[in-house]
Amino acid sequence: RKEVEQDPGPFNVPEGATVAFNCTYSNSASQSFFWYRQDCRKEPKLLMSVYSSGNEDGRFTAQLNRASQYISLLIRDSKLSDSATYLCVVNYNTDKLIFGTGTRLQVFP
Amino acid sequence: DAGITQSPRHKVTETGTPVTLRCHQTENHRYMYWYRQDPGHGLRLIHYSYGVKDTDKGEVSDGYSVSRSKTEDFLLTLESATSSQTSVYFCAVGPLTEQYFGPGTRLTVT
Repeated sequence: RKEVEQDPGPFNVPEGATVAFNCTYSNSASQSFFWYRQDCRKEPKLLMSVYSSGNEDGRFTAQLNRASQYISLLIRDSKLSDSATYLCVVNYNTDKLIFGTGTRLQVFP
Repeated sequence: DAGITQSPRHKVTETGTPVTLRCHQTENHRYMYWYRQDPGHGLRLIHYSYGVKDTDKGEVSDGYSVSRSKTEDFLLTLESATSSQTSVYFCAVGPLTEQYFGPGTRLTVT
C-alpha cells in the first residue's frame, strides 16, 4: 500500500462547479499535511497547509480526518485557472515529506 | 519567489556518463532537497542537506551523490547515468512547512 494515495483523475468539471478531492495516508503518526498545486510541466507550489480544525482560503477548503486517515480539498466556483494537478503531501515528523501522485483537475468553459 | 535556479534545464546524456545538476538559491535557506518525479510516482526524495557539508539520503539515493560546499549551492551527481534515471529533477528549499521548488531539470539518458 502506498503511504499517500490519491485518485489520479482527471476530474473534468465546468466553470463554477464545486469539486472535491480526497487523499488517504497510511501512517497514523503523521503530523503535518499539505496540498500543493502543480501546473503542467512546472514546479509544485504550496497551495495550503491542512490543520486539524480544517481551514479555508478563499474558494479552497481543506479538511483533515485523523480517525479515517484522510484529508480533503474542496474547490468552490471553479475557474479555468484552477486546472492543474493537486498533490497531497504528508510529513511523519521526520526531515522528509511524502508526496502523493496527484489528482488532475481540468475545468472547462 | 524563493530565488531558486536549476541548471541545466534540459540535458540529454548517454548511459555510463557522469552528470551533475546544480541548484542555486539566493534566500539563505538552511535546508535543500533533491527530488525526482516520474509518471505513476509522487515526488521522491533523493538526498537532502541540512547545512553546509551536512547531507543525508532519501528514499531513492542509489546511484546519486550530493555535495554542498556553500549555503547557496546544492549539487546532485549521477555517478554513471542509467536509463532508469531519466526523469524530471526538482530542487527544493525551505522548511517542511513550506517548501519552494526550482523550475526542474529534464534529464534524458539514452
